[in-house]
Amino acid sequence: QQQVKQSPQSLIVQKGGISIINCAYENTAFDYFPWYQQFPGKGPALLIAIRPDVSEKKEGRFTISFNKSAKQFSLHIMDSQPGDSATYFCAASKGTSGSRLTFGEGTQLTVNP
Amino acid sequence: DAGVTQSPTHLIKTRGQQVTLRCSPKSGHDTVSWYQQALGQGPQFIFQYYEEEERQRGNFPDRFSGHQFPNYSSELNVNALLLGDSALYLCASSLWTNGYTFGSGTRLTVV
Repeated sequence: QQQVKQSPQSLIVQKGGISIINCAYENTAFDYFPWYQQFPGKGPALLIAIRPDVSEKKEGRFTISFNKSAKQFSLHIMDSQPGDSATYFCAASKGTSGSRLTFGEGTQLTVNP
Repeated sequence: DAGVTQSPTHLIKTRGQQVTLRCSPKSGHDTVSWYQQALGQGPQFIFQYYEEEERQRGNFPDRFSGHQFPNYSSELNVNALLLGDSALYLCASSLWTNGYTFGSGTRLTVV
């Protein structure tokens, strides 16, 4: 049962461009929405996270936009750099941020120089 | 600063065999979770251990079992291996109210 759907599966962006990855969830009990970045041969690393009491959170070049009524959230990477090339996963959980995570299928981002 | 340490990094097993994977949590963390990540997919939650007890479990068969030791380290055991068990197994540690720190995983190949 896929409770978090992520798109696109892959994304190619030019250096300096904006990368946008979208996720939709089904379970309205979810109240913690993190994004993870994973490089080949490494485990996922927390990038940024949001709770549904705010509609947007920004940390440096990374922004999460959250639409509670649509049950959707997205990651925007501004001024994308080749070093941002990685696989990005959205996730969701209910309760504390240490609760079990339900992950999306992942988006492979390539930033061309 | 030692993060989450997993061993071994790679493992090849034959179908039907049993395997044990190990995880040492980040210093100060008391909760350990295990995830299975098939190639090209997102991690899937297997189970979570806290105070040496399985606290939550995902949709995995009983062939998957685990243990947490008094020093918070953990093991994941898989019996009667199937070809479909081939995956990257990720250990993540946390404090209950804080987010996860993932290890780099153990790549299990079942032949």
